[in-house]
Amino acid sequence: QPALTQPPSASASLGASVTLTCTLSSGYSNYKVDWYQQRPGKGPRFVMRVGTGEIVGSKGDGIPDRFSVLGSGLHRSLTIKNIQEEDEGDYYCGADHGSQYNFVWVFGGGTKLTVL
Amino acid sequence: EVQLVQSGAEVKRPGAAVKISCKVSGYTFSDYYIHWVQQAPGKGLEWMGLVDPEDGEAMYVEKFQGRVTLTADRSGDTAYMEMSSLRSEDTAIYYCVTGGPGGSVGYAFWGQGTLVTVSS
Repeated sequence: QPALTQPPSASASLGASVTLTCTLSSGYSNYKVDWYQQRPGKGPRFVMRVGTGEIVGSKGDGIPDRFSVLGSGLHRSLTIKNIQEEDEGDYYCGADHGSQYNFVWVFGGGTKLTVL
Repeated sequence: EVQLVQSGAEVKRPGAAVKISCKVSGYTFSDYYIHWVQQAPGKGLEWMGLVDPEDGEAMYVEKFQGRVTLTADRSGDTAYMEMSSLRSEDTAIYYCVTGGPGGSVGYAFWGQGTLVTVSS
């Protein structure tokens, strides 16, 4: 099964841009990854899915155009432009693997994004 | 509109059991798996397992095997997560999750979460 690695923290100034990264373990370069946003005190919220390229499918409800993704090799990134205070929170990447009786859903450890 | 609405917070003694419900609406319950995710205080997300509402079959992460039972009641469009022999480290928020309704990609639909506190 894949493993996902995320840096524990990131920060950016209000109005700036930031790119959050999620790295798949070796051998899983063709896997799609989902990004989730978790604001303080709230539940996770689906942002979008990324494969080897750009977005797969549609963004989650209410996700602004400032959010975009890119996938290359083992890396899956989430870029947030013109950062707002509301973007502060934890960001998790997740990937699933297999079918019903051999299924795994794994998450990265999360990146805490601080808006300065 | 797809919605997953979970039951309220629970406080349990060590050794007790808890059963959380997740009532879905806005799509055909039997069409998509229901997953359960644990989030301990200040920690990340951990997938626990899934139940197929179509036939009731469930699978579990090894860590939760034997202590967690996932079920689905098609007559009530409700999934359940029961955990027994509770210990303090089970204190967490538990989320039910699904993906796929409306042709959506990814696991886009989450319950609001249920806080389970295990304390003597």
